[in-house]
Amino acid sequence: KAGVTQTPRYLIKTRGQQVTLSCSPISGHRSVSWYQQTPGQGLQFLFEYFSETQRNKGNFPGRFSGRQFSNSRSEMNVSTLELGDSALYLCASSPPLAGDTDTQYFGPGTRLTVL
Amino acid sequence: AQSVTQLGSHVSVSEGALVLLRCNYSSSVPPYLFWYVQYPNQGLQLLLKYTSAATLVKGINGFEAEFKKSETSFHLTKPSAHMSDAAEYFCAVSEFTGGGNKLTFGTGTQLKVEL
Repeated sequence: KAGVTQTPRYLIKTRGQQVTLSCSPISGHRSVSWYQQTPGQGLQFLFEYFSETQRNKGNFPGRFSGRQFSNSRSEMNVSTLELGDSALYLCASSPPLAGDTDTQYFGPGTRLTVL
Repeated sequence: AQSVTQLGSHVSVSEGALVLLRCNYSSSVPPYLFWYVQYPNQGLQLLLKYTSAATLVKGINGFEAEFKKSETSFHLTKPSAHMSDAAEYFCAVSEFTGGGNKLTFGTGTQLKVEL
C-alpha cells in the first residue's frame, strides 16, 4: 500500500506570496493532519481534517488554512507569506480502524523556503 | 494539555553500545505514546506506540520502549546501536480533542553513532 504522498517536495516563494501544498493520504485513511516543523519551534500541530470537516486547529494565524476533498486528499494554503513561514510541512493520515485511529503515518514533507 | 519532555537534545553512543533516549510525559488521562524517527530530509517514521495493552512495547529496527506510570516515563532503548540508527528521534503523546487526535511532540533527540 502506498504511503502518504506530498507535493511538491520543495518550494521557494517570496514574502507576500501565497502557497498551496497538497497531501494524499494512505488509501482508506480519512483523517489528515498537518504539522509545521522548524528548528526554533519544533513540530507544531496545524490542523486536522476528517470527512471534509476541520476537527481541530492549532495556534496558527488565519493565514494558514486547509481543506479536504471527498477523496480524503487535503491541501493547506498559506497566504501573505512571511520569512518565518519557512519550514518543513508534514502531512499525516490515520486509519479508520478501531484502536488505531490515533496512529498517524507521515509523508515526506514539503520544504518551503520564503525569501 | 498533555506534553512530553525529551531529556538530552544530543546523544552520542559507540556502535554496538546500548541506546537510551529519554521521554517523560505529562497527562491527566492514560496516554497514548509514540516514538518516531526522522532521517535527514525525510518525514517521520513510526517506531512504536503504547496504547495500554502492554507496558513493554517492541518496535521496528530492534527498538523497544517501556511505559512506567510511576515515573511518567516512556524511554526508548536498543541493546546494540548501529550506524544506520543515526537520526533524530521524537517522542509524542496523542490527545483526543474535537473528536479527533492530535500529536504533541517533544523537542527531539539527535542520536549520533560513532565507530
